[in-house]
Amino acid sequence: GAVVSQHPSWVICKSGTSVKIECRSLDFQATTMFWYRQFPKQSLMLMATSNEGSKATYEQGVEKDKFLINHASLTLSTLTVTSAHPEDSSFYICSAPQAGGAGELFFGEGSRLTVL
Amino acid sequence: LAKTTQPISMDSYEGQEVNITCSHNNIATNDYITWYQQFPSQGPRFIIQGYKTKVTNEVASLFIPADRKSSTLSLPRVSLSDTAVYYCLAMDSSYKLIFGSGTRLLVRP
Repeated sequence: GAVVSQHPSWVICKSGTSVKIECRSLDFQATTMFWYRQFPKQSLMLMATSNEGSKATYEQGVEKDKFLINHASLTLSTLTVTSAHPEDSSFYICSAPQAGGAGELFFGEGSRLTVL
Repeated sequence: LAKTTQPISMDSYEGQEVNITCSHNNIATNDYITWYQQFPSQGPRFIIQGYKTKVTNEVASLFIPADRKSSTLSLPRVSLSDTAVYYCLAMDSSYKLIFGSGTRLLVRP
């Protein structure tokens, strides 16, 4: 099946710094990608829809200035957590549908962010 | 997007068949029922998808009655490695998924 890869798989940073997480579709093109956040023992929460060549669409309650999303190419979307604080510590997961595929949505491995 | 409801947790033993039922009373005509499996600290993994009746693949079966208001994921002969969270989702052509709480399946030896 198609592969979606995230990098880094885990990152630790100091409070106040910014962290970038990359999401790549390795063997297919993705005009749309989705970003989720998951806290321990909780379900995935959709943060935003990333659209290639245009602005991302954010879900209600998600700060667009805090979570910057860039979808500059058909295989790469990035999520930048700006001025990170301990409450931003979470598991961030991206997903992408394969255009013309059989309706399957492929998820990345996730990126664990810990803000000290 | 249709909301789905499923049991919070289930227990089973190795070798047994596990059936997880999901309720989706407000499913739309264009929605497909899709199930994902998630292990700790990993992204969800696709298990199976169907529209109605029965779908079977190498790992599971999915049963969807004619009214499509519910569906049942069937895992034959589970093993310890099937311990995970299972999510039932309604997916349309937007691929935008709203995850519910999922079902935590614990398989005991």
